[in-house]
Order: sequence, then C-alpha cells, then structure tokens
Amino acid sequence: QKEVEQDPGPLSVPEGAIVSLNCTYSNSAFQYFMWYRQYSRKGPELLMYTYSSGNKEDGRFTAQVDKSSKYISLFIRDSQPSDSATYLCAMSRGDWGAQKLVFGQGTRLTINP
Amino acid sequence: NAGVTQTPKFQVLKTGQSMTLQCAQDMNHNSMYWYRQDPGMGLRLIYYSASEGTTDKGEVPNGYNVSRLNKREFSLRLESAAPSQTSVYFCASSLRGVDEQFFGPGTRLTVL
Repeated sequence: QKEVEQDPGPLSVPEGAIVSLNCTYSNSAFQYFMWYRQYSRKGPELLMYTYSSGNKEDGRFTAQVDKSSKYISLFIRDSQPSDSATYLCAMSRGDWGAQKLVFGQGTRLTINP
Repeated sequence: NAGVTQTPKFQVLKTGQSMTLQCAQDMNHNSMYWYRQDPGMGLRLIYYSASEGTTDKGEVPNGYNVSRLNKREFSLRLESAAPSQTSVYFCASSLRGVDEQFFGPGTRLTVL
C-alpha cells in the first residue's frame, strides 16, 4: 500500500463548478501538506502549503487537512478552463535540512468551457 | 532570475550507456532534490542534498549517483542506463528543508 493515495481521475467538470480533490495517507508522522499544480510537460508549481490540521484559503483555492482521519482536500471555487491541469498532493514529516516529499499519483482535471 | 534550470530537455540513450543530468538554481537555495515522475506513480525522490557538501538517498536511489558540485549545481548520473529508468526527471530546490520547493522544467529520458 502506498503511503499517499490519490484518485488519478480523470475528472472533467463544467466551467464555474466547485472542484474537490482529495488524498489519504497512512503515515501519522506527516505534518506538512502541499498541493502542487502541473501543466502538461511542465514542472510542478506550489499552490497551497499547510502545516498540521486546519483550513487555508487563497483566492479561489481552499486546502483542508484532517490529521485525525489522515485526509486532505483541495477545493477550487468558480473553476476556470485555465485550472485544467494535474493536481498533486504531497506531504512530509518536516525536516529543517531537507524536506523529503511523498507525492500522490496526481489527479488530471479538465474544466470544460 | 531563471529559477531552476535543467539540461538537457530531452535525451535518448541505449541500454548500458551513461549520462549526467545537470541542474542549477540561482535563488541561493541550500537544499536541492532529484525526483522522477512515471505515469500513475506521482513523483518519487531519488536523491537530495540538504546543503553544499552533503547528499543522501531518497526513496528510489538504485542505479543513480549524484554530485553537489557547489551551492548552485546538483547533478544526477546514470552509470549504466536501463529501460526501467525511462522517465521524466525533475530537479527542485528550496531555501531550507521546510520551505517551498521550486521545480525545474524537467528532462525527458528514454532508454531503449
């Protein structure tokens, strides 16, 4: 069993819909949680970064972490065609020297105009 | 300010050949990383360097070696390439371990 599980999709929704992306994990030592967005043939770019449990909001994006359930979510409000990409969750125990990220498989999202 | 740069962008090798993937960052970051990305597998950490002069194995280090040449540069070497090493390779860097990792554009490697 993988440490981090993410439904690979693909997920296709109409423009303006609310999108929910999720990951589950098994390692209770994870404390740092991230969502990366990756456009086709590009490197990942960081969208959201949270520490421990709770919510974080940035514009149309909201990240939620529930450590008791070992479950994290990313919500996208008012989705746009430009949001079409692969979304990767990542997490780590947190090391000041080097952060060894463990990624989910990625969910491919398409927003249809 | 170029961020993280990687060379080459594409490479085709024959089984048994060797090559070095180059990575450089101009953000004065301390930590650098090499990942590989395969379909359905997400990104997996190959090697990392917490600071200049140190390197450590990640999740999938077999068949690879690394060199932290200086603070800016971190190279990944395949001594004897195998078809199982066909992948997209990403280099990343961060100021400190707990900080955001910035990724390069990737190198697409095919081993025949």
